[in-house]
Amino acid sequence: EVQLLESGGGLVQPGGSLRLSCAASGFTFSTYAMSWVRQAPGKGLEWVSTITSGGGGTYYADSVKGRFTISRDTSKNTLYLQMNSLRAEDSAIYYCAKPYSSLIFFDYWGLGTLVTVSS
Amino acid sequence: DIQLTQSPSFLSASVGDRVTITCRASQGISSYLAWYQQKPGKAPKLLIYSASTLQSGVPSRFSGSGSGTEFTLTISSLQPEDFATYYCQQLNHYPLTFGGGTKVEIK
Repeated sequence: EVQLLESGGGLVQPGGSLRLSCAASGFTFSTYAMSWVRQAPGKGLEWVSTITSGGGGTYYADSVKGRFTISRDTSKNTLYLQMNSLRAEDSAIYYCAKPYSSLIFFDYWGLGTLVTVSS
Repeated sequence: DIQLTQSPSFLSASVGDRVTITCRASQGISSYLAWYQQKPGKAPKLLIYSASTLQSGVPSRFSGSGSGTEFTLTISSLQPEDFATYYCQQLNHYPLTFGGGTKVEIK
């Protein structure tokens, strides 16, 4: 059974940093690109970032480019999102998502971890 | 960036109604479109991919159609468990984008 378990969310001050983790199980992690998608309270879904299966390619939304870094550790079956220079508008539930195939639509999602950026 | 515009943004319907949601892309995306259902407090659930392919386990009352710039999600007979918010997503180009969502509520 595919499972994605996010952790690392919490309350952080503007300008601060946070690292999110997503522990994956139930599938061959090393063969799938992985993504982060966020949802601000009461708002819609926003794609944040994707990393290729081998980790050599990364893609970011313009809203986070230069501040967030996606990475993965295949030995630990874990996906990460390093978030720096956080802003109030980064407050959201962050979901880890697995694509169905080489096409990046998502057949499995984690439960999400809440990030709140506030002083 | 490819913008996805969903309409309507809000829909009030009764059990048994036929419901259609539209997603329009700002440029052609072939059939690289997916639809998701999200209930309050839950992660999104994949319903349809490649514009018209039903994800395994999804009831056949859900269907998708379209290509290029105009797509539709149809629920043939709305059931109580279908009251939720629906999103489209394009996967043709980065940045990946989602539509603004359509909330389906009980009339």
